Amino acid sequence: AQSVTQPDIHITVSEGASLELRCNYSYGATPYLFWYVQSPGQGLQLLLKYFSGDTLVQGIKGFEAEFKRSQSSFNLRKPSVHWSDAAEYFCAVGPFNDYKLSFGAGTTVTVRA
Amino acid sequence: DTAVSQTPKYLVTQMGNDKSIKCEQNLGHDTMYWYKQDSKKFLKIMFSYNNKELIINETVPNRFSPKSPDKAHLNLHINSLELGDSAVYFCASSLGQGGGETQYFGPGTRLLVL
Repeated sequence: AQSVTQPDIHITVSEGASLELRCNYSYGATPYLFWYVQSPGQGLQLLLKYFSGDTLVQGIKGFEAEFKRSQSSFNLRKPSVHWSDAAEYFCAVGPFNDYKLSFGAGTTVTVRA
Repeated sequence: DTAVSQTPKYLVTQMGNDKSIKCEQNLGHDTMYWYKQDSKKFLKIMFSYNNKELIINETVPNRFSPKSPDKAHLNLHINSLELGDSAVYFCASSLGQGGGETQYFGPGTRLLVL
């Protein structure tokens, strides 16, 4: 069975600073990988996803993520954070033959002025 | 236009009551889901339907019963509500059943059982 670990429960970052959120997964083969964002009181919105090919994936809102097979990681990055990026971020993994997603526990991002 | 909508947005009720949450998607998707997000924000899938047929039924108490009258709607009925049912319930949909399908989430229904 697949599993997802987000080691950082809470990250505080200054506006304009860079952000990196970690995600490690456990799965027998290369899974589909996703990052979702949940703004306060809202549903989840897809930021980006990885299936195959280029290991650096571009997403919406200036986010990107890099898949590293050797480290079983799919870390999310943004070079310059805006106050509106304060939210909960979820990494998710789904096997290629099953649409059942497994979510990590989430990382809360706080942006200080 | 809202892609995935849920009603109600908030639901406060007494223990033992029966309540329903409705979900509708206007994306033309074939597959719909219910997720439960607990107080620690952990998301877990409960059910999934494809073209009105149940395809995932995780270990969920049988007090929870999903119903899909058509492929655009997936409702969740909960009998004999318990304190532990307090959570945020998200509906989601995807185009198909294949792995890697993007799931589109509704805004959530915040259920509080007193």
